[in-house]
Amino acid sequence: QSALTQPPSASGSPGQSVTISCTGTSSDVGGYNSVSWYQQHPGKAPKVMIYEVSKRPSGVPDRFSGSKSGNTASLTVSGLQAEDEADYHCSSYAASNSYVFGTGTKVTVL
Amino acid sequence: QVQLQESGPGLVKPSGTLSLTCVVSGDSITSNYWWTWIRQSPGKGLEWIGEIHHSGRTEYNPSLKSRVTISVDKSKNQFSLNLSSVTAADTAVYYCTSASYYKSDYWGQGTLVTVSS
Repeated sequence: QSALTQPPSASGSPGQSVTISCTGTSSDVGGYNSVSWYQQHPGKAPKVMIYEVSKRPSGVPDRFSGSKSGNTASLTVSGLQAEDEADYHCSSYAASNSYVFGTGTKVTVL
Repeated sequence: QVQLQESGPGLVKPSGTLSLTCVVSGDSITSNYWWTWIRQSPGKGLEWIGEIHHSGRTEYNPSLKSRVTISVDKSKNQFSLNLSSVTAADTAVYYCTSASYYKSDYWGQGTLVTVSS
């Protein structure tokens, strides 16, 4: 299985929105509603921000939202704040009862 | 809430076996989670290694399946990872997590394992 494709970087000014894509195949992203998104600050463990495409765990701000169309999932961060600057990783359940992660996107708040 | 702590050698020789343990606190390992190992090579993305349920059922990354064994020790409330025939490409930070609803909810702090002679 190949890693899901994410853009290496994305950026936005405070208060703006940024959207990150995560492209897979019909054997992972397109085949299951099991996409998750993780935020990772430098030197820290990842933290789940979105699961099952668009659900937010308790405590995650509603500025974070997820969606999916076909083989591509997306994470949108609205009202960008300085603390949103981090790496973001998508993940999807995949055939063969496994999981595949994305290549990761570094979000910069300008 | 669940807390996880990885432990094990930080240096493993090429062709050897990488062995890590994850101690679970704050919940029982027999609770309804999948106990998972994920790694991150320096400066790169995350890679799912595999997972185990307390029932003993395991699932592995197809690309690593021939080298990976994950086991659970209910008496010690911990689970373990063995990765055999390691090479420099296996150098990474290894995380243990608890997973439910197709997401990893809780993560250990991660432990760096370097493969080098």
